[in-house]
Amino acid sequence: DVKVTQSSRYLVKRTGEKVFLECVQDMDHENMFWYRQDPGLGLRLIYFSYDVKMKEKGDIPEGYSVSREKKERFSLILESASTNQTSMYLCASSKMGGGYSNQPQHFGDGTRLSIL
Amino acid sequence: QKEVEQNSGPLSVPEGAIASLNCTYSDRGSQSFFWYRQYSGKSPELIMFIYSNGDKEDGRFTAQLNKASQYVSLLIRDSQPSDSATYLCAVNINAGNNRKLIWGLGTSLAVNP
Repeated sequence: DVKVTQSSRYLVKRTGEKVFLECVQDMDHENMFWYRQDPGLGLRLIYFSYDVKMKEKGDIPEGYSVSREKKERFSLILESASTNQTSMYLCASSKMGGGYSNQPQHFGDGTRLSIL
Repeated sequence: QKEVEQNSGPLSVPEGAIASLNCTYSDRGSQSFFWYRQYSGKSPELIMFIYSNGDKEDGRFTAQLNKASQYVSLLIRDSQPSDSATYLCAVNINAGNNRKLIWGLGTSLAVNP
C-alpha cells in the first residue's frame, strides 16, 4: 500500500513565522502535491512537483513556496504565516503517466495548521 | 456551470440500501474520473477510478461513467453505517495547454441503522 506521511497532525504557529510542512512517500511516485482544504471551498491545489527540483504552481500559490530535493520528500513553506493560512493541509502523491491529472492520488493524514 | 458539480446532500439512506452518488462535469474531453471517501476530520481516501464508459465494480462499490451525458456515479450496495462520510468526485478538465484535476465539493452520505 502507498504510504504518504506528513510530519505533524496538528501545528500551531504565530503570524509572521516561517512554517515548514514536510511530506514523505514510500512508493517511488514521481508526482507530489500540496493542497489546502477549507469548508465550502473544497480541495485547492497549492503546488505540485513532477520530478526532483521541479515544481509547478497550482491554483493558490501566493504566500507559499515548495522544495523537492529528493524524490520521496516534498516540503511546503509558508514564508510569513498569516491568519488566513489557517487550514487543513494535505499532501498527496501519484505515479507519472499521461499527465498528473490521469493518475489516482494518495493522500497523507493531513496537517491541521492554526496561525494565531 | 461549475466544472465539477456534486449535490452537497446530506443524502440519507437506511442500512442495507443502495446509495447513489452523482457527479456532473463540464468538459466533454475529460478522460479520468476518481471517487474518494473522506471521514470527518480525516484525509481523502481513494475508492475507485474509471477511465472508460460503462461500469466498474469493486466489492460493494460500482462506478458508472456516461461520457455522452457527462456524469459519473458511485453506487454503494448494502450500505453500512461505516459508509457515512463525504464522497468527493475528481475529474480531469481541459485547462488550456494542459489538463488539471478539478475536485467537487463532495456529497455527504448518512447511512441510518
